[in-house]
Parts: sequence; C-alpha cells; structure tokens
Amino acid sequence: DTEVTQTPKHLVMGMTNKKSLKCEQHMGHRAMYWYKQKAKKPPELMFVYSYEKLSINESVPSRFSPECPNSSLLNLHLHALQPEDSALYLCASSPQGKESGNTIYFGEGSWLTVV
Amino acid sequence: AQSVAQPEDQVNVAEGNPLTVKCTYSVSGNPYLFWYVQYPNRGLQFLLKYITGDNLVKGSYGFEAEFNKSQTSFHLKKPSALVSDSALYFCAVRARGATNKLIFGTGTLLAVQP
Repeated sequence: DTEVTQTPKHLVMGMTNKKSLKCEQHMGHRAMYWYKQKAKKPPELMFVYSYEKLSINESVPSRFSPECPNSSLLNLHLHALQPEDSALYLCASSPQGKESGNTIYFGEGSWLTVV
Repeated sequence: AQSVAQPEDQVNVAEGNPLTVKCTYSVSGNPYLFWYVQYPNRGLQFLLKYITGDNLVKGSYGFEAEFNKSQTSFHLKKPSALVSDSALYFCAVRARGATNKLIFGTGTLLAVQP
C-alpha cells in the first residue's frame, strides 16, 4: 500500500484565519514532506522532516508552520495567509536512509484558497 | 547546480501511436531519475525510476524510460498511447547523497487525441 492521505481536500480561509492541513501515512516511512504546487507548475519543496525532526526548510514564510507529531503524521499550520498562497499543497513520504534512490510517494493534495 | 529540462510544454499524439516525453538533466555524478504523472485535480503518481543497472526501465501503465548517460537524457516512452494517458508528466532528478531533495522539471502536458 503506497498511500498518503491528506485532509481536507479543499479549504477556503480568510486572511485572518488559522487552519491546519493534515497528512498521514502508514508505510513506515521516516521522511515526510510538504510541497506547494501552482497550476500546471512543478511542485516546490517547502519542508522535509526526517525521523520526526525538521531537516529542510526552504526559506518558507513563518505564516506556514509545520509539525510532525509522530512518524505517521504531518501537519501544516496556516495563519495570516495571503491570496498568493492559494495553491495545491502536497504531502509526501519516503523511506529515509543513505540511499537516495528512495521513491517519494505523494498524497492527493489539499486545495487551499485564501480569500 | 542540478537541473532538469523538459523541452516540450505539450506533446500531442494520436491514440494508438507511440509517444515520447523528453527529459534531460544536469547533475554531478550518477543521478537517480524519476518520472511522475499528474492527472487533472490529482496528486502526483510515481511511474518509474532509474537507479542503476539496465538502461531501460519499465514502469506502471505500460510506460518505460531509457537512461542515456552520454546524452544525459531520460525520455519517457510508451508504444501505444491511450486517451487516458492524457495528463501532466514530470521528470525529476536527485543527486546521489542528496537524500531528500528532488529537483523537478517544468512538466510536459501530454494530449492524446482519439
């Protein structure tokens, strides 16, 4: 089973709201990722967690706050977003190890609209 | 610097004809190469990858890709296209040692006409 589950599928939020995106995987993967994708563009890496610790932050604005409560869960907390943050947010996971050939598996994404 | 190029924004092919989606890469050392497909309003689905060994890699849905080290290419191919293959295709590369960073190409929209 190569499934990464994301909720909610769609989210509309105002610029003063606080909301969260959630991601879950049960493949035993120890690396988890958040990507942002605009329409017909490639995904852009935001954050990487390795063994539940933040290992990569691609200079993402602080209005995005990731959290990895355990090895199966990944959250993205959203606060004071801007309309340009509207996008598809993809969660992904992969085995973690020295071998870079590990496949990254993506969820179906959460469509975020900031109004 | 590592990079991936997909020179065609869109590829049009008739159903039943062979298809090729092109990808070239620039990375130091031997790379790991991946192809993903994204259907409308969906996430990315893994198709296939090249790690080492045989240059011809077979993947999901009848797709295959050929690794060519001298031309630094990893073109995606299918002998007979289906209308249902119409989607956005992304090539991606990861340098050995860069365990968590996948560099994506700009994507190629494949349109298969009936």
